[in-house]
Amino acid sequence: GAGVSQSPSNKVTEKGKDVELRCDPISGHTALYWYRQSLGQGLEFLIYFQGNSAPDKSGLPSDRFSAERTGGSVSTLTIQRTQQEDSAVYLCASSYRGTSSYNEQFFGPGTRLTVL
Amino acid sequence: AQSVAQPEDQVNVAEGNPLTVKCTYSVSGNPYLFWYVQYPNRGLQFLLKYITGDNLVKGSYGFEAEFNKSQTSFHLKKPSALVSDSALYFCAVRGYSGNTPLVFGKGTRLSVIA
Repeated sequence: GAGVSQSPSNKVTEKGKDVELRCDPISGHTALYWYRQSLGQGLEFLIYFQGNSAPDKSGLPSDRFSAERTGGSVSTLTIQRTQQEDSAVYLCASSYRGTSSYNEQFFGPGTRLTVL
Repeated sequence: AQSVAQPEDQVNVAEGNPLTVKCTYSVSGNPYLFWYVQYPNRGLQFLLKYITGDNLVKGSYGFEAEFNKSQTSFHLKKPSALVSDSALYFCAVRGYSGNTPLVFGKGTRLSVIA
């Protein structure tokens, strides 16, 4: 079966513009995560969706960042009024039965965002 | 709070030699530990995990990791390195609570030299 897919693979935008990043998780996976990987940094957790529960937004760096997950499947991460420090690779991951701590997460290839 | 430390930004090893990539963690309660690898322009790929049981965990591509509770470590190892193992390696930890995301280390870049 298909893995986690993300689009676009690359996005170049101008400072102040809004961007939307899309994630298609593995079919049947109930948990979906967004991470950010900046140059020289590890992976920074942004937001987590589990089934129909309220998402864990504790990692979002500012109110310019938001995400939604429609129908328990596809997710969109939106960054409003982008800033240069938002430039990073945004990774999406999904896992089966996210309340089970031992299930590994499967990652998409990421979206490389460059804010000029 | 959970945390992971990968003390080495870069590890260089000759092809055919054993390799070790170090990881230490801090978590309340029993840890769930993971190793991921990232090849250039690719997403992260799962290598192995420790949940419970034997301290030596075997994973993909001939990699293994040893869980040491007293030293709070989970070092990644391979008996004989290949040039194709050159990549960025991430250690991650998750606490017992199922609603916590993975906490990753900053990564260690492994270079295997022919």
